[in-house]
Amino acid sequence: DADVTQTPRNRITKTGKRIMLECSQTKGHDRMYWYRQDPGLGLRLIYYSFDVKDINKGEISDGYSVSRQAQAKFSLSLESAIPNQTALYFCATSDLSGNGYTFGSGTRLTVV
Amino acid sequence: GENVEQHPSTLSVQEGDSAVIKCTYSDSASNYFPWYKQELGKGPQLIIDIRSNVGEKKDQRIAVTLNKTAKHFSLHITETQPEDSAVYFCAASKGGGSYIPTFGRGTSLIVHP
Repeated sequence: DADVTQTPRNRITKTGKRIMLECSQTKGHDRMYWYRQDPGLGLRLIYYSFDVKDINKGEISDGYSVSRQAQAKFSLSLESAIPNQTALYFCATSDLSGNGYTFGSGTRLTVV
Repeated sequence: GENVEQHPSTLSVQEGDSAVIKCTYSDSASNYFPWYKQELGKGPQLIIDIRSNVGEKKDQRIAVTLNKTAKHFSLHITETQPEDSAVYFCAASKGGGSYIPTFGRGTSLIVHP
């Protein structure tokens, strides 16, 4: 099994719908992250969590929310999806050093 | 905050040639520089990293060099193979638990057989 599992792998949704992307990890890491990847823009940080009780906004948090349900689970929600949120989304984990991320395989989200 | 510039955005080489990807960073306090490889349909994977107390690090066909004075670091891939084709990301971080790395925008490396 993968260390970091993201579900779903692909999703098409309509504008205005609420959608949740889920991430679970077996690394035992406290730290979890959500990134968005767009062509030519690299990886941009949406939210991150250093432990279950800690949630922090990243550089592009508007329009997104997160929930850290347990050490192993970190979900990303789009409250009202819009077309410019069409992108590839990655969850990642790291140990306390913050060095050397482990990424999931990504969720390709299309908002029509 | 930290700013990481990565060049080129696309690099096309023939199998067996060398490939070099360069990154510059702005924050002189950054001291940890990882490189990630993203194959098609997969998430980025850490392939090599370097800390600021080291000038060069090698792992088989890949090497990373760091010039702290000039604030730039590079990934070198020798004897490229088609399976090296991927998107490569550099990142810079102050290290330690509180800092989030800043990523470059990525380089798409294409190795032609």
